[in-house]
Amino acid sequence: EVQLVESGGGLVQPGGSLRLSCSASIFTFSPYYMSWVRQAPGRGLEWVATINQDGREKYYVDSVRGRFTISRDNGKNSLDLQMNFLRAEDSAVYYCARGTNMGACPFDSWGQGTLVTVSS
Amino acid sequence: EIVMTQSPATLSVSPGERATLSCRASQSVRRNLAWYQRKPGQAPRLLIYGSSTRATGVPARFSGSGSGTEFTLTISSLQSEDIAVYSCQQYTDWPLTFGGGTKVEIK
Repeated sequence: EVQLVESGGGLVQPGGSLRLSCSASIFTFSPYYMSWVRQAPGRGLEWVATINQDGREKYYVDSVRGRFTISRDNGKNSLDLQMNFLRAEDSAVYYCARGTNMGACPFDSWGQGTLVTVSS
Repeated sequence: EIVMTQSPATLSVSPGERATLSCRASQSVRRNLAWYQRKPGQAPRLLIYGSSTRATGVPARFSGSGSGTEFTLTISSLQSEDIAVYSCQQYTDWPLTFGGGTKVEIK
């Protein structure tokens, strides 16, 4: 069974930074597009960012472009999300999700999520 | 951006009865539509992709239909373990977008 385990969440002040990580196991990581999806309290799911297999293609939702950076290390089976200039509206549970070998795709496996709270 | 709208927001269904959930796209997404099940404290679970293909391990009581802008998720005979929030997602174009969700509860 696919395993995705997120880490790095926590409490941060507005304007601060946080780096989320996702460790993948039980599957071959490199052939898949990988993504971050978030869910704010009381809200629906929101796609945040996607990265292709070799890390050269990156896609972001407008609200985080220029502040967040998605990256991956296929040798370590890991996916990261560097979040800078955080805002209160970035508070959410952040999920790591596996896509397919195509860019725009559904997510067939998800982690349990890591909570990010942006507050003073 | 393609806006996904789900209805109703909450659906109350008796055990064993049929549940019908709707998802509408603001423009055609062809059949690039997925459904997810979300339970508190759990990772979201992919149920349906390609509008009507069940993901691995998904019970046959879950079915999806539709194309273009109108989609439906049907639970043919609601079980207690189906109590959850169901979300649709389009993957025709960036940004990928989700509907707000339909909460299914037991009547």
